[in-house]
Amino acid sequence: AQTVTQSQPEMSVQEAETVTLSCTYDTSESDYYLFWYKQPPSRQMILVIRQEAYKQQNATENRFSVNFQKAAKSFSLKISDSQLGDAAMYFCAYRRLGGSNYKLTFGKGTLLTVNP
Amino acid sequence: DGGITQSPKYLFRKEGQNVTLSCEQNLNHDAMYWYRQDPGQGLRLIYYSQIVNDFQKGDIAEGYSVSREKKESFPLTVTSAQKNPTAFYLCASSIFVQKGARDTEAFFGQGTRLTVV
Repeated sequence: AQTVTQSQPEMSVQEAETVTLSCTYDTSESDYYLFWYKQPPSRQMILVIRQEAYKQQNATENRFSVNFQKAAKSFSLKISDSQLGDAAMYFCAYRRLGGSNYKLTFGKGTLLTVNP
Repeated sequence: DGGITQSPKYLFRKEGQNVTLSCEQNLNHDAMYWYRQDPGQGLRLIYYSQIVNDFQKGDIAEGYSVSREKKESFPLTVTSAQKNPTAFYLCASSIFVQKGARDTEAFFGQGTRLTVV
């Protein structure tokens, strides 16, 4: 079974600085998707960024980028120029490709605090 | 606008009662999911469904039941057998993923907060 581990229950960053959130996963599959979701105090889940495992290039979305290390099964999220609105719970998620691929597995989350 | 609607936003259950949480989507997604969220536990999968009239147990299905009679709807019943139902419940939907597909992520509703009184 696939598992997703976020080893940092809480992180903090100063406004305008950079922070990296860690995620590791365990799978025997070669093709899959990885995601970072943000959950602000409103509790609405918002997709931040996605990565296809078959692509070597790391995904980037504005201030958000990932460091995808397939061999190490690592998928960290880097937030540059942190803003107060980035404060939220961040979840890493895994989804396999092919077969019964609709199951989405989440880590336990990292609570990010942004200090002014 | 397309999206996922969960209702109600807040729900209170008495001991021994069954309650049903509603989830409707108009995104034409095949797959739908129910997650439970507790502090420090992340999102745990209760049930998921890929097609009408088919659904699978997730990691914490005991005390819950679902149905998928229509593609758009995936209601969750919290039965009296669920001993600790107080939690935040999230419904999600997604397409069936193929290599290179767009919009591979799951889309979420705004959640239902269930409290036992």
